[in-house]
Amino acid sequence: DGGITQSPKYLFRKEGQNVTLSCEQNLNHDAMYWYRQDPGQGLRLIYYSQIVNDFQKGDIAEGYSVSREKKESFPLTVTSAQKNPTAFYLCASSMAGYYTFGSGTRLTVV
Amino acid sequence: RKEVEQDPGPFNVPEGATVAFNCTYSNSASQSFFWYRQDCRKEPKLLMSVYSSGNEDGRFTAQLNRASQYISLLIRDSKLSDSATYLCAVNDPDNYGQNFVFGPGTRLSVLP
Repeated sequence: DGGITQSPKYLFRKEGQNVTLSCEQNLNHDAMYWYRQDPGQGLRLIYYSQIVNDFQKGDIAEGYSVSREKKESFPLTVTSAQKNPTAFYLCASSMAGYYTFGSGTRLTVV
Repeated sequence: RKEVEQDPGPFNVPEGATVAFNCTYSNSASQSFFWYRQDCRKEPKLLMSVYSSGNEDGRFTAQLNRASQYISLLIRDSKLSDSATYLCAVNDPDNYGQNFVFGPGTRLSVLP
């Protein structure tokens, strides 16, 4: 089955630590996205990528970094510069406007 | 910044009721529209597309009003299982890369 896989499902980060969230898709989609969702809020775009080796900042990119070395993979690193990282992180890929989302990673700072 | 706004909700309706949500968009050049459903603590999933002529899928009807720049979602004969947050997505013609903007969502609770 084609789909988009995020891991881990739950992640705990200590203060000052960098963590990387994985996102892999086998849908052959060119475009991939990372969103952040806080409780009761909508989706806020962190980064997006239209093609391999290219990505663009979204609305809330500060404190985050990404790479797109392969079409299938778009990992997100939450750096220590992100002061309030506790949130639900969603990865998505799209083709012709149809977005497919991963099941999300719930990140908590401890 | 292109804006997409939705009725804030929450909408609390009894089973069997008909409920409608609106989603307004600011860019008159937007051409593509979708509704997504998001269950609590889950990822959004595509519910339906919104065509110029409207779109009906069972109890769900999506409409587009270009003149007033909004789309709507109508749910008839609400079921308990319809309880979720409904997100609209609107394409942003001015930003090819991030070509869809999601609304903040409208939460629906269908009560027994």
